[in-house]
Amino acid sequence: QSVLTQPPSVSGAPGQRVTISCTRSSSHLGTTYDVHWYQQLPGRAPKLLIYGDNNRPSGVPDRFSGSTSGTSASLAITGLQAEDEAEYFCQSYDSSPSDSTVFGSGTKVTVL
Amino acid sequence: EVQLVQSGAEVTKPGESLKISCKGSGYSFPTYWIGWVRQMPGKGLEWMGIIHPGDSDIRYSPSFQGQVTISADKSISAAYLQWSSLKASDTAMYYCARSMVEEVITPFDCWGQGTLVTVSS
Repeated sequence: QSVLTQPPSVSGAPGQRVTISCTRSSSHLGTTYDVHWYQQLPGRAPKLLIYGDNNRPSGVPDRFSGSTSGTSASLAITGLQAEDEAEYFCQSYDSSPSDSTVFGSGTKVTVL
Repeated sequence: EVQLVQSGAEVTKPGESLKISCKGSGYSFPTYWIGWVRQMPGKGLEWMGIIHPGDSDIRYSPSFQGQVTISADKSISAAYLQWSSLKASDTAMYYCARSMVEEVITPFDCWGQGTLVTVSS
């Protein structure tokens, strides 16, 4: 089973840009799958933020963007706002076992 | 409006059985996968498994295989997660979530509100 590693926390001042990385374990080097990102506000259910590497569902501000490079993906938040303080999780397909999925370890974003 | 509504919070004892539900509305329930996700207190998201209500095709995470049972009843647009013998370590919030695209298990574009399960003697 794959492991997706994220930094435990990132922080930034209002208006700044922050990025969150999501790195797949080495057992799947050379294999690329779509990465999705979720935002979980305190006490709420997760919400889909980015899908298919860099697509935003309707209603998600364009301050949020995704990118991928090899076995890593990143979520960027530009123009950080107080309401962005939340936990962020990446997710990707997993081929072992077949047709399954895995979540990243999660990153807490703090707005200073 | 696409919606998933989960059953209410449960307080149970170790060794007891439990079945929680997730009811979909606003879309063709048999067509989209429904996944279950565990979140232990203060921890991250863990994918438990997923079911296709149309044909009851089920995939389990190796971490949860044999620990829980996932099922669905497409006639009433409901999916279920059940335990035969709960442990204190099963205390967590459990979310159901719908796949965004037919026939593909990720991403999850609609989530239930969560069901808090507390297991304590």
